[in-house]
Amino acid sequence: EVQLVESGGGLIQPGGSLRLSCAGSGFTLTSYWMDWVRQAPGKGLVWVARIKSDGTSTSYADSFQGRFTISRDSAKNTLYLQMNSLRAEDTAVYYCASLPPGAWGQGTLVSVSS
Amino acid sequence: QAVVTQEPSLTVSPGGTVTLTCGSSTGTVTSGHYAYWFQQKPGQAPRTLIYDTSNKNSWTPARFSGSLLGGKAALTLSGAQPEDEAEYYCLLTSGRGVVFGGGTKLTVL
Repeated sequence: EVQLVESGGGLIQPGGSLRLSCAGSGFTLTSYWMDWVRQAPGKGLVWVARIKSDGTSTSYADSFQGRFTISRDSAKNTLYLQMNSLRAEDTAVYYCASLPPGAWGQGTLVSVSS
Repeated sequence: QAVVTQEPSLTVSPGGTVTLTCGSSTGTVTSGHYAYWFQQKPGQAPRTLIYDTSNKNSWTPARFSGSLLGGKAALTLSGAQPEDEAEYYCLLTSGRGVVFGGGTKLTVL
């Protein structure tokens, strides 16, 4: 069974940093393009970043370029999102997803507040 | 990046047919946008229904179909069921990345 499991969310103060992880089981992350998507409370889905299947290329939504970094560890079959200079408006559930084929994790909540 | 537009809300009767659309501020949506459609119910993660315009996942009910219609991507639900009440998001891919639409709240009533 294909599973993506995010972790690393929590409460963080403004200006802080956090690294989210997304572990794959029954699913080899390096075979697919992988994405991070976020959803603020009561709001819609927002694409954050993407990494190519071979890891040679990354892309970001304009809003996150320079602050967020997507990466992966092939040996651990894990995707990461490093988030720096966090702001209150970064409060959201963060999902990892593989598009295609369309697998999603259950999400991890990041709350930025003093 | 492009702005992707969806109907904010739609209502369909049980057993009825409804079409949701997904347009791009840059112009006509084509197969090269690799349109996706997702269903999200309250408190749940999104679920992929359609990828690459019209391809279904193994878990996608047969009553859902994807297409290109009038310069937009479209999701058609034929024979709506009460459990289809949800938020539906589309996604378009471009050379610069990926953009989600704002979502359509579908009510089955």
